[in-house]
Amino acid sequence: AQSVSQHNHHVILSEAASLELGCNYSYGGTVNLFWYVQYPGQHLQLLLKYFSGDPLVKGIKGFEAEFIKSKFSFNLRKPSVQWSDTAEYFCAVNADNNDMRFGAGTRLTVKP
Amino acid sequence: DGGITQSPKYLFRKEGQNVTLSCEQNLNHDAMYWYRQDPGQGLRLIYYSQIVNDFQKGDIAEGYSVSREKKESFPLTVTSAQKNPTAFYLCASRRGNGYTFGSGTRLTVV
Repeated sequence: AQSVSQHNHHVILSEAASLELGCNYSYGGTVNLFWYVQYPGQHLQLLLKYFSGDPLVKGIKGFEAEFIKSKFSFNLRKPSVQWSDTAEYFCAVNADNNDMRFGAGTRLTVKP
Repeated sequence: DGGITQSPKYLFRKEGQNVTLSCEQNLNHDAMYWYRQDPGQGLRLIYYSQIVNDFQKGDIAEGYSVSREKKESFPLTVTSAQKNPTAFYLCASRRGNGYTFGSGTRLTVV
């Protein structure tokens, strides 16, 4: 089965700083890639997803992610974070055996 | 509105007791999933089902059981064999590449 690694356990940024959260997966076949966000006390929401086509994917709230197949990576970026981006972020991979695996999550704290 | 309903939202269980978490969807999705969420470990796959009357173990199936007698329902039983059952449990369903998540059940063993 595929596995997903998120490199950063906890990231602390000041407002307006740029964000990049790493995500690598291990699977050699066709994958679909996702980033989910979980705000405090709320359930998972989809930020963006990649199935095929343009490897640079734009999602909601100004987030984007780039799929680099040669590096098995799908890093999440945002040019300027806001206090309201404080949340936990999960990378997920759905491989062609149809079950989805999640990374351990990265907790983002944005200081006002 | 279509969606996934997990019940109850909070559940307390005494050690040694089995408990069943409900997951119902009215989205007509074929596949359903159970995940366990623990701090610092993300979501780990417990069981999943692609079609009715069929299911497969995920990464941490020990101490859990499921059934899929109806397309709409995928209940999860946490048995007394699960050594550390206190956690947040999430159910999801999928059709094609679209996933929908429930709001979760927080299980606490007392």
